[in-house]
Amino acid sequence: DQQVKQNSPSLSVQEGRISILNCDYTNSMFDYFLWYKKYPAEGPTFLISISSIKDKNEDGRFTVFLNKSAKHLSLHIVPSQPGDSAVYFCAAIGRVTGGGNKLTFGTGTQLKVEL
Amino acid sequence: DGGITQSPKYLFRKEGQNVTLSCEQNLNHDAMYWYRQDPGQGLRLIYYSQIVNDFQKGDIAEGYSVSREKKESFPLTVTSAQKNPTAFYLCASSFGGLQTAEQYFGPGTRLTVT
Repeated sequence: DQQVKQNSPSLSVQEGRISILNCDYTNSMFDYFLWYKKYPAEGPTFLISISSIKDKNEDGRFTVFLNKSAKHLSLHIVPSQPGDSAVYFCAAIGRVTGGGNKLTFGTGTQLKVEL
Repeated sequence: DGGITQSPKYLFRKEGQNVTLSCEQNLNHDAMYWYRQDPGQGLRLIYYSQIVNDFQKGDIAEGYSVSREKKESFPLTVTSAQKNPTAFYLCASSFGGLQTAEQYFGPGTRLTVT
């Protein structure tokens, strides 16, 4: 049962253009969402997050949009750069008993930014 | 330099052997996590620990065991009962409670069992 879905396994974009990565979720109890970036043979690194009380969060070239009614979020990268080529994972937080956070990850989208 | 270390980066074992993967953090985080990554499946949670001497099963705990005797360390043992142990294993940590949702990941260990 995939509660966080990234339906596009890959995306190719030209340098300087906008990259839009999409993510859908099914669990309405998720209240916090994160995007991670991962290079091959390395651990994921945190990119940007958004709380369910907001619909947009921006950090430099990265903006995350959240549409709670549609259970959909997206990551926009503008302008895209070759160094952005990586796998991007969407993740959602479900609070666990006793505090702490349990991340549920999507399957990832491989972004390739071409010159 | 604060961070999470995992060792070794590559590990090879024969089928039927138990193997322990190391994870150490000096971020003073209370919570630690183990994930495995398989092609096309994203990251799946194996075990997590919110505090020393306590841990809970994640979504795919069968065939794995953990211990949390120290705050800094959360080793994962892949037992011979794990039917498909070859994977990329990632350790992560975070502050406990509701302080932050962000988890910091180590560089990973690629385990190959033949």
